[in-house]
Amino acid sequence: DVVLTQTPVSLSVTLGDQASISCRSSQSLEYSDGYTYLEWYLQKPGQSPQLLIYGVSNRFSGVPDRFIGSGSGTDFTLKISRVEPEDLGVYYCFQATHDLTFGSGTKLEIK
Amino acid sequence: EVQLVESGGGLVQPGRSLKLSCLASGFTFSNYGMNWIRQAPGKGLEWVASISSSSSYIYYADTVKGRFTISRDNAKNTLYLQMTSLRSEDTALYYCARRLPRGWFAYWGQGTLVTVSS
Repeated sequence: DVVLTQTPVSLSVTLGDQASISCRSSQSLEYSDGYTYLEWYLQKPGQSPQLLIYGVSNRFSGVPDRFIGSGSGTDFTLKISRVEPEDLGVYYCFQATHDLTFGSGTKLEIK
Repeated sequence: EVQLVESGGGLVQPGRSLKLSCLASGFTFSNYGMNWIRQAPGKGLEWVASISSSSSYIYYADTVKGRFTISRDNAKNTLYLQMTSLRSEDTALYYCARRLPRGWFAYWGQGTLVTVSS
């Protein structure tokens, strides 16, 4: 089974600074069709999760361009530039190349 | 506006069954794959099951395979999850979510809570 390891487990960021979250996979996430099924989700406190990024770097409708996904193979990163108060919550990476699995989450707090 | 409303959760004894529903609106339900994802209290997200738009393709997590059945009624715009032989570890908030062509969980409902306890 594919394991997604997210680091750090928690992150405290000053408003306006950049945050970076890593997601490492135990296997390459490039599918045989060349597509990489790696996504990022944010679950704000008390809310359902929401899709931020799909296909490594494609922002979902309405997601600010402050959210930038990157990476390939087994190493992926979500960067949030100019962190705002509404960005707090738990971020999950997710893969659908080999079965479907979520990372264990990274909690973003505002200093 | 896409809306997904889950229902059917509740308190159930171990070994018993429960059927969850997810009523969809705001889009052509029959065009999209659908999913169930759950979240145990204070824990992370766990994918449970997926079904394609015409029910041709169905997938389950190993933790529920053989006990849970995902299905859909496109005429009623409704997704289902039949859960049998429930265990305490199935206690969770169950979400339904709609697919995109290249994204798995684009729209989510608010969830329905299932508690398995004697």
